[in-house]
Amino acid sequence: DGGITQSPKYLFRKEGQNVTLSCEQNLNHDAMYWYRQDPGQGLRLIYYSQIVNDFQKGDIAEGYSVSREKKESFPLTVTSAQKNPTAFYLCASSRRGANVLTFGAGSRLTVL
Amino acid sequence: QKEVEQDPGPLSVPEGAIVSLNCTYSNSAFQYFMWYRQYSRKGPELLMYTYSSGNKEDGRFTAQVDKSSKYISLFIRDSQPSDSATYLCAMKVQGGSEKLVFGKGTKLTVNP
Repeated sequence: DGGITQSPKYLFRKEGQNVTLSCEQNLNHDAMYWYRQDPGQGLRLIYYSQIVNDFQKGDIAEGYSVSREKKESFPLTVTSAQKNPTAFYLCASSRRGANVLTFGAGSRLTVL
Repeated sequence: QKEVEQDPGPLSVPEGAIVSLNCTYSNSAFQYFMWYRQYSRKGPELLMYTYSSGNKEDGRFTAQVDKSSKYISLFIRDSQPSDSATYLCAMKVQGGSEKLVFGKGTKLTVNP
């Protein structure tokens, strides 16, 4: 079945450590996205990529980095510069120019 | 004023009730309107998708768009406990490079 796989599902990190969240899709979608979800905040866009080797900052990119070396993969690194990293992170993808996103199951990051 | 406003609830109804979920928006350029359903600790899944104004029905779900009032609604008939989830509205301006704008979500509980 086609879909988006996010891993790990749960992750704990000590302050000062970088952590990378994985996102893989087999939908042959060109565009991929990372969102952060906090209680009462809705979905906030971190980074997005329309094509391989190109990506743009979203609304809250500070403290995060991404890469898009393969069409299927869009990993997100939460760096130590991110002040409040504890959150639920969602990866999504879409056909280029499409209006509808397909989401992964999410990764919950907790900073201890 | 935020671009998209959505009452976060929580909303609690008895099984079988008709549920009305709503979003208002300020950007008159929005053309595409979506409702996503998100179960606890899961990623959002597309529930309804409409273009411009009008109604769309799918089983127990009806989506309405009133562009003159900048108001969209999702109705759930004969609500079931399995409908208990957070419902997110999302909107988009026409154009492939434009981003989806999400409401904060309304948490719904249907009590048996």
